[in-house]
Amino acid sequence: NAGVTQTPKFQVLKTGQSMTLQCAQDMNHEYMSWYRQDPGMGLRLIHYSVGAGITDQGEVPNGYNVSRSTTEDFPLRLLSAAPSQTSVYFCASRQGGSGANVLTFGAGSRLTVL
Amino acid sequence: AQTVTQSQPEMSVQEAETVTLSCTYDTSENNYYLFWYKQPPSRQMILVIRQEAYKQQNATENRFSVNFQKAAKSFSLKISDSQLGDTAMYFCAFMNDNNNDMRFGAGTRLTVKP
Repeated sequence: NAGVTQTPKFQVLKTGQSMTLQCAQDMNHEYMSWYRQDPGMGLRLIHYSVGAGITDQGEVPNGYNVSRSTTEDFPLRLLSAAPSQTSVYFCASRQGGSGANVLTFGAGSRLTVL
Repeated sequence: AQTVTQSQPEMSVQEAETVTLSCTYDTSENNYYLFWYKQPPSRQMILVIRQEAYKQQNATENRFSVNFQKAAKSFSLKISDSQLGDTAMYFCAFMNDNNNDMRFGAGTRLTVKP
């Protein structure tokens, strides 16, 4: 099925460990993004990309790193995990250009940092 | 920065009745888009309805409709003939036409009671 695929769905880390959340889409979307969802705060944008080789920061980028080497993939890296990064993470993509184009979300990844 | 406010953390409604979820936003832009997303217990983010700010006519999708008041910066969602499957978190979201940062409200948890 076409869509946005995130892996893993669940992950437990210890403080200081590193990990990568994977995101892949097969819709040839130019725009991809990562959000985190915390109780009482909705979704907040971490990083986004408008095409291969182009990334930019969102509202809460600290502690996260991204790259976009292909149109399909947009991994999110935590270099040294902290308990404050415990959250549910969503990857989303859409066609580029107008903001009218609708975001398609992945199923989410729940990360717990102990 | 744009902000989105959902003032109702939780709401409930009887099956088959109508409920309205509130959303206000703050922006100095003239061209933008507003969205309502539904997040059921499965955690998947599902687009419910979308409104372009330049359109005066309120968007409608089956049992879902919006009341878009541009001057008041208000964008409420009305769910008619509520069904048990409408039980979910509902997020209001805002996006300018000229940037890539979609802002979400904190969400309203809606429970439909049999």
